[in-house]
Amino acid sequence: KAGVTQTPRYLIKTRGQQVTLSCSPISGHRSVSWYQQTPGQGLQFLFEYFSETQRNKGNFPGRFSGRQFSNSRSEMNVSTLELGDSALYLCASSFLTGLGTGELFFGEGSRLTVL
Amino acid sequence: GQQVMQIPQYQHVQEGEDFTTYCNSSTTLSNIQWYKQRPGGHPVFLIQLVKSGEVKKQKRLTFQFGEAKKNSSLHITATQTTDVGTYFCAPSSSASKIIFGSGTRLSIRP
Repeated sequence: KAGVTQTPRYLIKTRGQQVTLSCSPISGHRSVSWYQQTPGQGLQFLFEYFSETQRNKGNFPGRFSGRQFSNSRSEMNVSTLELGDSALYLCASSFLTGLGTGELFFGEGSRLTVL
Repeated sequence: GQQVMQIPQYQHVQEGEDFTTYCNSSTTLSNIQWYKQRPGGHPVFLIQLVKSGEVKKQKRLTFQFGEAKKNSSLHITATQTTDVGTYFCAPSSSASKIIFGSGTRLSIRP
């Protein structure tokens, strides 16, 4: 069974540009969550999607957005990039059960550098 | 909102010594998960605790969930170099939002 796939793995952008990151979850997983990881702030929750609907959102500005497609693949977009957006962006998929929160399976991440 | 504190931030131990990290929440939790992230890697799920007072063991690792479901701990007995990494608690107070603690970075002197 293939794991969570994130593309691209590395990218460099300049301030003011925008970026789109992609995440393909494990087959059968319908929940996809996104996290931003920086050395100073740890793992910060961005948003979670389930069946194409955003169910939860973290405390990030509106420049950060996402969406999920009918095949559960997800994308996140950051517009008007700032230097502080440099981080590792992690996607995690989960097979939610009736018991609630499921185990998160993380991808390798997309490392974004903003110059 | 939910506040999670994880302590200590860093722990440097001699190989063979024990290690413990603690996670404390300001609110009652539905469950709590623990993850390990090796240097340069991504977080990997270790365990999920759901019941009040629950204790689970995985070889040298012991996980506890507090009676009030507001705190949890991870204890490693006789650390080995393979235990190096950052350990995160990930409490959940809702079904679809998992917030990660700040993590405890464990380093080991051989």
